[in-house]
Amino acid sequence: DSGVTQTPKHLITATGQRVTLRCSPRSGDLSVYWYQQSLDQGLQFLIQYYNGEERAKGNILERFSAQQFPDLHSELNLSSLELGDSALYFCASSAGTGGTSGVTDTQYFGPGTRLTVL
Amino acid sequence: KNEVEQSPQNLTAQEGEFITINCSYSVGISALHWLQQHPGGGIVSLFMLSSGKKKHGRLIATINIQEKHSSLHITASHPRDSAVYICAVRGRSGGSNYKLTFGKGTLLTVNP
Repeated sequence: DSGVTQTPKHLITATGQRVTLRCSPRSGDLSVYWYQQSLDQGLQFLIQYYNGEERAKGNILERFSAQQFPDLHSELNLSSLELGDSALYFCASSAGTGGTSGVTDTQYFGPGTRLTVL
Repeated sequence: KNEVEQSPQNLTAQEGEFITINCSYSVGISALHWLQQHPGGGIVSLFMLSSGKKKHGRLIATINIQEKHSSLHITASHPRDSAVYICAVRGRSGGSNYKLTFGKGTLLTVNP
């Protein structure tokens, strides 16, 4: 158990709908990262938040948005869903900002949310 | 060409064998991660490297910054090591400093 929780575990929805995925980081971790894993694209970094602020952006579609709340949990919102959005969505957390600066900043991954868009 | 290339894509070994998985990258990086993903889907971060070598139990990770290459070694492999091993690099400059780019993974199967 990594200490990172994600809800829900599974989500089945229809095209055009909107869903919200939730992530609670490990106690004390300030960074939250979101990743998408699909069969054809592999793992892709979507976005990182550090202490409530967006820190880095990856291949996140405009239909997707995220935020990190004052209690440090994070939500990933996916809207106007398409069949191709079906994937595993992982959240990870780390203690620091994720940069090196000589500091080991291990990322701890949650169990993932499997999204199926029909 | 992908920024991060792993080899081999698939690897089958007998229990007890020494395993090597390779990762090459084409961009400047600030750090390299090795991740393990089990068949159930869970991901575990094994190592983060910015230079040299790290060891944890039977796992050893090395990185050569000049050659833009990293290796993950497993000594005395065991069936429970069967998993997908993923290499990921973190950019070095400007806005890409915190972005992780992933290799496609190496599927390791260790037979008893």
